[in-house]
Amino acid sequence: DTEVTQTPKHLVMGMTNKKSLKCEQHMGHRAMYWYKQKAKKPPELMFVYSYEKLSINESVPSRFSPECPNSSLLNLHLHALQPEDSALYLCASSQRLAGLNIQYFGAGTRLSVL
Amino acid sequence: LAKTTQPISMDSYEGQEVNITCSHNNIATNDYITWYQQFPSQGPRFIIQGYKTKVTNEVASLFIPADRKSSTLSLPRVSLSDTAVYYCLVGDRDTGGFKTIFGAGTRLFVKA
Repeated sequence: DTEVTQTPKHLVMGMTNKKSLKCEQHMGHRAMYWYKQKAKKPPELMFVYSYEKLSINESVPSRFSPECPNSSLLNLHLHALQPEDSALYLCASSQRLAGLNIQYFGAGTRLSVL
Repeated sequence: LAKTTQPISMDSYEGQEVNITCSHNNIATNDYITWYQQFPSQGPRFIIQGYKTKVTNEVASLFIPADRKSSTLSLPRVSLSDTAVYYCLVGDRDTGGFKTIFGAGTRLFVKA
């Protein structure tokens, strides 16, 4: 099973709402990632968790709050977002093998902020 | 991390071989090279990864010259379903490549 599952697939929220994105993998990977992707642009790294600890935060605004409750789950809590935060949010996981790192991506959550 | 440069777009016809070259002049000794494919509204999908010389798997080949300042993804006999964006990434092998930076990507359009 090489699947990373993201829920929901689509989300519409107002600027005062609080919502969460969920990501799940059962490949035993110990690194998990959040990316943001705008239309016709490459994915941009937001956060990396390694062994359930936050190891990389790419200067993401505090209205995005990641959480890694266990080795299989990754959440992204959203609060007071802006319309420019509308994008495809991608989750990925990876495991180092022989020094190489291959990431497996979910299909993403399409977020619209009104 | 080394920056990558790829052609913005390429066109091809079904059945042809497609070669997409990525430039990474500042690649470090510990960096490896990875290619991903992305279809609209889907997450990127791993294609191939290598460090030097040539790597081949069931879908593609990756050619890396001795100086490692560039790499070429080769897709044999493309079909319409290979129309996608292809990203070249350079990552740090020693740190597991966690800090991942995607380049602009190459939009490949395969015509009938």
